[in-house]
Amino acid sequence: DAMVIQNPRYQVTQFGKPVTLSCSQTLNHNVMYWYQQKSSQAPKLLFHYYDKDFNNEADTPDNFQSRRPNTSFCFLDIRSPGLGDAAMYLCATSPRLAGGEDTQYFGPGTRLTVL
Amino acid sequence: RKEVEQDPGPFNVPEGATVAFNCTYSNSASQSFFWYRQDCRKEPKLLMSVYSSGNEDGRFTAQLNRASQYISLLIRDSKLSDSATYLCVVNMRKSNYKLTFGKGTLLTVNP
Repeated sequence: DAMVIQNPRYQVTQFGKPVTLSCSQTLNHNVMYWYQQKSSQAPKLLFHYYDKDFNNEADTPDNFQSRRPNTSFCFLDIRSPGLGDAAMYLCATSPRLAGGEDTQYFGPGTRLTVL
Repeated sequence: RKEVEQDPGPFNVPEGATVAFNCTYSNSASQSFFWYRQDCRKEPKLLMSVYSSGNEDGRFTAQLNRASQYISLLIRDSKLSDSATYLCVVNMRKSNYKLTFGKGTLLTVNP
């Protein structure tokens, strides 16, 4: 089945130790997103790619970076994780068809713990 | 005013009850509207898109009132498996691909 896959599902890192989360999709969608979601809060958009065009949200800390080497893969790099970065990180994709289809499809998420 | 605002909840209802969730959005130029469902510690999943004419999918009915900038979701004959957080989601501007999420309303259906 076509889907959005995230690895790992659970990640434990130490304060300040860089970590990379990965997302892949078999949907061949143009747009890929990274969200951060903390308990009882709405998902917060960090950035998104339309094909190779990178779009950063104004309030996304510099500590968060992203790479999209090809259509299928997108990575979230957290350069120096702090305790406040512990959260669920959600990857999503959207087809962005000419008709304006903008439904987003989410991966299962990576739950990040910072010790 | 928050961009997307939902009933704060939580809602606790018995099995078989009818429950309604309300949502308002701030930008009158908003183009697309959705209800997502999120189970505890899982990802959001699309429940249904919301169309101007209103739409129904089994026990679920979604309605949109553009004049009042208001969206609703009605669940009839609630099941235990309907227990989840329901997120109201809006594409606020036609020119970008971003969705704005409400904080969600937690529903617990009790036996």
